[in-house]
Amino acid sequence: GAVVSQHPSWVICKSGTSVKIECRSLDFQATTMFWYRQFPKQSLMLMATSNEGSKATYEQGVEKDKFLINHASLTLSTLTVTSAHPEDSSFYICSARDSSGGGELFFGEGSRLTVL
Amino acid sequence: KQEVTQIPAALSVPEGENLVLNCSFTDSAIYNLQWFRQDPGKGLTSLLLIQSSQREQTSGRLNASLDKSSGRSTLYIAASQPGDSATYLCAAQPNSGNTPLVFGKGTRLSVIA
Repeated sequence: GAVVSQHPSWVICKSGTSVKIECRSLDFQATTMFWYRQFPKQSLMLMATSNEGSKATYEQGVEKDKFLINHASLTLSTLTVTSAHPEDSSFYICSARDSSGGGELFFGEGSRLTVL
Repeated sequence: KQEVTQIPAALSVPEGENLVLNCSFTDSAIYNLQWFRQDPGKGLTSLLLIQSSQREQTSGRLNASLDKSSGRSTLYIAASQPGDSATYLCAAQPNSGNTPLVFGKGTRLSVIA
């Protein structure tokens, strides 16, 4: 199946710093990628829809200035958590849809962020 | 607004048993429905994708069915193995556009050796 790569898989940072997470579709192009956040033993919460070449669409309650999304190419979207605080600690997962594959959605392995 | 519900929230079975995981959705106008597996601390692995025009899909020991009119999907796992232990998520895509999936909260499966 199609592969979506996420990097880094885990990161620890100090409060107040910014962290960038990359999401790449390795063997297909994705005009749209989705960013999710997952708390322990909870389901995925959609944060934003990342559109190649245009602004991301954020879900209600998600601060766009806090979670910066850039989708500069058809295979790469980045999520930057700015001025991170301990409450931003979470598991962040990206996904991309292979438009040639009948709409199947593929997910990255996730990035665990811990803010000290 | 589409809502997806999964029952049960957790399930524990002995190895070798056949089992069924249930998923229901409130709006039958879906484009497709997808089943995923998530291991602890990991991302999601796509298991089966059922298009709205299909009734079922099979992959190995897994069989997923879709009944749009009743708003239900089931994931059948035959001859369960300890390696099947994971959280299983179903998700509905609302329409043909590049829209995000609507997820259920998952069923946490434990297969006991």
